Amino acid sequence: QVHLVESGGGVVQPGGSLRLSCAASGFTFSNYGMHWVRQAPGKGLEWVALIWFDGRDRGYADSVKDRFTISRDNSKNILSLQMNSLRAEDTAIYYCAREDWNNGRNPDYWGQGTLVTVSS
Amino acid sequence: QSALTQPASVSGSPGQSITISCTGTSSDVGAYKYVSWYQQHPGTAPKLIIFDVNNRASGVSSRFSGSKSGNTASLTISGLQAEDEATYYCISYVTANTRMFGGGTKLTVL
Repeated sequence: QVHLVESGGGVVQPGGSLRLSCAASGFTFSNYGMHWVRQAPGKGLEWVALIWFDGRDRGYADSVKDRFTISRDNSKNILSLQMNSLRAEDTAIYYCAREDWNNGRNPDYWGQGTLVTVSS
Repeated sequence: QSALTQPASVSGSPGQSITISCTGTSSDVGAYKYVSWYQQHPGTAPKLIIFDVNNRASGVSSRFSGSKSGNTASLTISGLQAEDEATYYCISYVTANTRMFGGGTKLTVL
């Protein structure tokens, strides 16, 4: 059974940094692309970043480019999101999600999310 | 990168059918078959219901169906039930390394 558990959320001041992690289990992590998606309080879903199954390529939303870095450790089944220069508008629940090409080129299974609050 | 366009809200009575649209451009929705739909109930993670425009995810009721015409994808829910009340999101493949969500549509079952 696919299981994704995010951690690392919390309260951080504007301009600060935070690193999110997503522990994956129940599937062969190294065979799947992975995404981060966020949802600001009371707002819709916003795609943030993706990384290919082998980590050789990645992509970002314009809103986070040059501030966020997605990475993965296939030996530990861990997906990460390093967030720098945080802004109030980065406040959101951050979800990690798997991409299985048997279920389309978009996320299929999602974690429960971790809340990031950027506030002074 | 602006969001795909979805109606903010739709409503229907139990047993009726509703359709939610998701409009993009010839560079995203219109260019690929990789449009998915998610259902999200308050306080929970999104759940995949449709992938590749018209394929139901495992375990999803046949009351849910998807289609696409040009730059607009659509999600249809037939035989509305109270449990269908949720917010629905579309997402489209844009490039090999980018995706884009719609703004979300809140479905109210009257």
